[in-house]
Amino acid sequence: GAGVSQSPSNKVTEKGKDVELRCDPISGHTALYWYRQSLGQGLEFLIYFQGNSAPDKSGLPSDRFSAERTGGSVSTLTIQRTQQEDSAVYLCASSELAGGAGELFFGEGSRLTVL
Amino acid sequence: RKEVEQDPGPFNVPEGATVAFNCTYSNSASQSFFWYRQDCRKEPKLLMSVYSSGNEDGRFTAQLNRASQYISLLIRDSKLSDSATYLCVVPGSSNTGKLIFGQGTTLQVKP
Repeated sequence: GAGVSQSPSNKVTEKGKDVELRCDPISGHTALYWYRQSLGQGLEFLIYFQGNSAPDKSGLPSDRFSAERTGGSVSTLTIQRTQQEDSAVYLCASSELAGGAGELFFGEGSRLTVL
Repeated sequence: RKEVEQDPGPFNVPEGATVAFNCTYSNSASQSFFWYRQDCRKEPKLLMSVYSSGNEDGRFTAQLNRASQYISLLIRDSKLSDSATYLCVVPGSSNTGKLIFGQGTTLQVKP
């Protein structure tokens, strides 16, 4: 596809379970970002990838959160031992330019609900 | 000081009105600034980049004031379809490439 693809679009899980969220960026985009957005709130930065490395992971809320990117393409955000406060929409964006200089193209997000 | 701050609003204006939003930022070394638009329950989309000299795109004008560290967005002749949340985006203070979103300003244009 031409745009950023995220899966699953919706995920309901029980407290304490692990979840994996996937992001397929636009082909050739070197930069990839993860944000999360709680209901009625702004976007909270989680992590930034340039290629396969993460120059900035300062936004990850705790050590239960981790992310990786392979082949300069697909990225996976993993949340271990989910808590109710993890409930949010997780948005992935990619950009052709690194360093925050270019337009971000967002996926439609993965809505996570932790019961 | 927060890295980026916006007045959340909401701004309620009649059709045809002119409305302006400001966004302050803390990273004086920032070079790239953007305005994004987010419709309800949708992903954000780029509205316009903000250039040092200011730039205009139809009814929209973006300006940068480096001395006071804020960017602005002016919307002229508001349309009902302009109703959305407007997010300013600035580089993080660590200059690692991360981009920080403001919490957004909600605009509601009424007939």
